[in-house]
Amino acid sequence: QVQLQESGPGLVKPSETLSLTCAVSGYSISSGYYWGWIRQPPGKGLEWIGSIYHSGSTYYNPSLKSRVTISVDTSKNQFSLKLSSVTAADTAVYYCARLFGLRASYFDYWGQGTLVTVSS
Amino acid sequence: QSALTQPASVSGSPGQSITISCTGTSSDVGSYNLVSWYQQHPGKAPKLMIYEGSKRPSGVSNRFSGSKSGNTASLTISGLQAEDEADYYCCSYAGSSTFDVVFGGGTKLTVL
Repeated sequence: QVQLQESGPGLVKPSETLSLTCAVSGYSISSGYYWGWIRQPPGKGLEWIGSIYHSGSTYYNPSLKSRVTISVDTSKNQFSLKLSSVTAADTAVYYCARLFGLRASYFDYWGQGTLVTVSS
Repeated sequence: QSALTQPASVSGSPGQSITISCTGTSSDVGSYNLVSWYQQHPGKAPKLMIYEGSKRPSGVSNRFSGSKSGNTASLTISGLQAEDEADYYCCSYAGSSTFDVVFGGGTKLTVL
């Protein structure tokens, strides 16, 4: 059974960089598949942030591309998200998930999510 | 890349059927049969209900079905049950040479 667990600071100051890590268990990232980050502001819908292949190829939401970096550490079986120059609008529950299927089009396993609040 | 369009809310009585629409463009929903649907209960992570347009993951009730016509995908829930009350999100593959995906705005299903 694949399991994902997000971790990182729950509070980030405006203009700083949000950093989160997703630890994967039950599957070796180096074996393949795409891995992604999704966020959900309080009371709002889901937004895809970006995805990374086990080899390191990345794909980002065009609206966030200038501020997002996703990386993978196969030795630790985890992948990470960095979002720079954050504002209150970046306050959200951040989920990590595995992408599967044709063109890696759907998310089959999700983490429980972690709330990140941007506030001074 | 614009969000897919879903109705904000739908409702139905136990035992009835409801359909949630998800409208995209010829660049996403219309070009690929790669729409997925997720169910989300309050405070929980989304759960995959339908993938690749109409396929159900193991363990998902056959009361859930997916379809597509043109630029609009649909999720139908038959025999509504109280536990179906949740938010539902569609998601479509959106990249011809990339692996971009785009979500819908979400639909709140109320079981009356």
